[in-house]
Order: sequence, then structure tokens, then C-alpha cells
Amino acid sequence: EPEVTQTPSHQVTQMGQEVILRCVPISNHLYFYWYRQILGQKVEFLVSFYNNEISEKSEIFDDQFSVERPDGSNFTLKIRSTKLEDSAMYFCASSESFAGELFFGEGSRLTVL
Amino acid sequence: KNEVEQSPQNLTAQEGEFITINCSYSVGISALHWLQQHPGGGIVSLFMLSSGKKKHGRLIATINIQEKHSSLHITASHPRDSAVYICAALKNSGNTPLVFGKGTRLSVIA
Repeated sequence: EPEVTQTPSHQVTQMGQEVILRCVPISNHLYFYWYRQILGQKVEFLVSFYNNEISEKSEIFDDQFSVERPDGSNFTLKIRSTKLEDSAMYFCASSESFAGELFFGEGSRLTVL
Repeated sequence: KNEVEQSPQNLTAQEGEFITINCSYSVGISALHWLQQHPGGGIVSLFMLSSGKKKHGRLIATINIQEKHSSLHITASHPRDSAVYICAALKNSGNTPLVFGKGTRLSVIA
């Protein structure tokens, strides 16, 4: 069964460092998403991406964040200068259509020290 | 106030019990997702529905658009159903398309 894969599963970084989280969405999907879940809190929407551009983003997704689809398969989330409060589980998801079923990756846990 | 509210927050059940988890939302939606988050953190989509009822195995999801309410039912619960169940509303306006509830932590005891 096709699945969304994310790497790394866990990353520990120092405050101020750049981090890139990688996702390989399901191959025929067109809509891509990043979500964040701070430990003990609810999942929050960060950004959606369609047709090689951001279609929507939340207030959380400030100038420190960027997304890219550098090739036909990868979808990356970059945090330019990490802060302590960026520590969270980051989930990538994809769907075939805008209101279609979402398929989530297993998540990337980011710990900022 | 959260746009998506779930109840209960925590639920402990004996194996075999019928379980109901509720979700109420205050925004206009085009669809509602029920998700399952495993103890390890991974999220799996269970249902996406915009009207009526859907069934998959022992899981049933219903939605009442007029009352802005959805329920997830688990029949003949089993310890492997232990997880956090999350309701998420796909809004039909605004710049935050998918709004999540805080989740219901279910523990099924053998």
C-alpha cells in the first residue's frame, strides 16, 4: 500500500541551527501539507502546497519556515533558525484532491536544545 | 473557544464495550476527518465524511451537518483500539483549512 514517508524520524538540534525535514508524498497525490504537534497539544496546520506553490499557510508559518518541492518526489520543510518552541512532532500529509482523504507520514520529532 | 471540541478527553473501557466519541464544531465545513494517533505518534486517517454515516469494520462514523456534530463509534472494543482519536474539520473558508480537536485518549482494558 502506498504511504507517505518522512525523514528523519527524530532530529536533535541546537537553537539557531537550520533544520530540513523531508517527506516523500504518495506519488499520484497533488496536495501536500505540513502539520505540527507540540508535545501534549493538538495538531496544528502549518502550510498546504499545490501546483508548486503555497496555497495556504497559518500564522505559525512565519518567515522562519519555508517549503519546497525540489524534485518530483520530495517535499521539504525548512526552519531557518530554530527556536526552543519549535520542538514538536512535524507531520507531512498528502491527498489526491483538495478535499480528499489525507495520508499522513509517521512524523519527524524535532528537539531544539 | 476551540472551533472543534471533542468529548470525552479521556476514556477507559473494558474490552468488548461499545464506545462513542463525540465531536462538535462551530465553523462551516466541507468535510470532517476522524483520525487515529498511535502511541508512537503516527496518524492514520479513519474516515472522511461530509454527510450521513460511514462504516469500516468495527468503526462507524456519523455526522449531522445541521447540528454540527459528529460521532465515532467502536463496537466490540479491543485493547488494540487504544489510541488517541482526533476529529478534524475541513473548513470551507479561512486560511487554516484543517482544524483539529484536542483528541480523545482511549484505553481499552482486557
